[in-house]
Amino acid sequence: KQEVTQIPAALSVPEGENLVLNCSFTDSAIYNLQWFRQDPGKGLTSLLLIQSSQREQTSGRLNASLDKSSGRSTLYIAASQPGDSATYLCAVLGAGSYQLTFGKGTKLSVIP
Amino acid sequence: EAQVTQNPRYLITVTGKKLTVTCSQNMNHEYMSWYRQDPGLGLRQIYYSMNVEVTDKGDVPEGYKVSRKEKRNFPLILESPSPNQTSLYFCASSGTAYNEQFFGPGTRLTVL
Repeated sequence: KQEVTQIPAALSVPEGENLVLNCSFTDSAIYNLQWFRQDPGKGLTSLLLIQSSQREQTSGRLNASLDKSSGRSTLYIAASQPGDSATYLCAVLGAGSYQLTFGKGTKLSVIP
Repeated sequence: EAQVTQNPRYLITVTGKKLTVTCSQNMNHEYMSWYRQDPGLGLRQIYYSMNVEVTDKGDVPEGYKVSRKEKRNFPLILESPSPNQTSLYFCASSGTAYNEQFFGPGTRLTVL
């Protein structure tokens, strides 16, 4: 069964820093991987989706990479801002599956 | 505006009193699903639907029912709620199971 791990569970950085969030998964047979953002008391907002054939995806200050063979993905946030404070979740869609498996998230705090 | 809506947003009820949480999407998506989110356990899928009249169990289906009679709606039914179903519930939709997922705002359910 696919397991998704996100370390650290929480991260605090000063404003302006570049940072990396990590996601690892146990089964490399995946169809795609998606990064989400969740603000307190709200739903999830999709940030980036990487297909298994891709190495990375970029959207503004965000860059997500995927190394399927090693079971790892990273979300790079450039020039962090207080508005980036949220919980970031990664989710994997296994090959031949119709279900996303989520990590438990990394809670990011960007200090002004 | 493209969106997934859920109602109610907050609900406090008592053990055994049947309830329905509605979910509707206006994006003509084929795939819809329900998740519950609990502290320390993360997001877990309850049921999903590949299309009208096609539903299947997720990881934690016990105590829940769903139906998909129309493409836009995917209600979650708790026929005899119990306190262990107290949770934050999310509905999500996507074009197909392989596409970017869009989440509703969540329904916070408390069962006394």
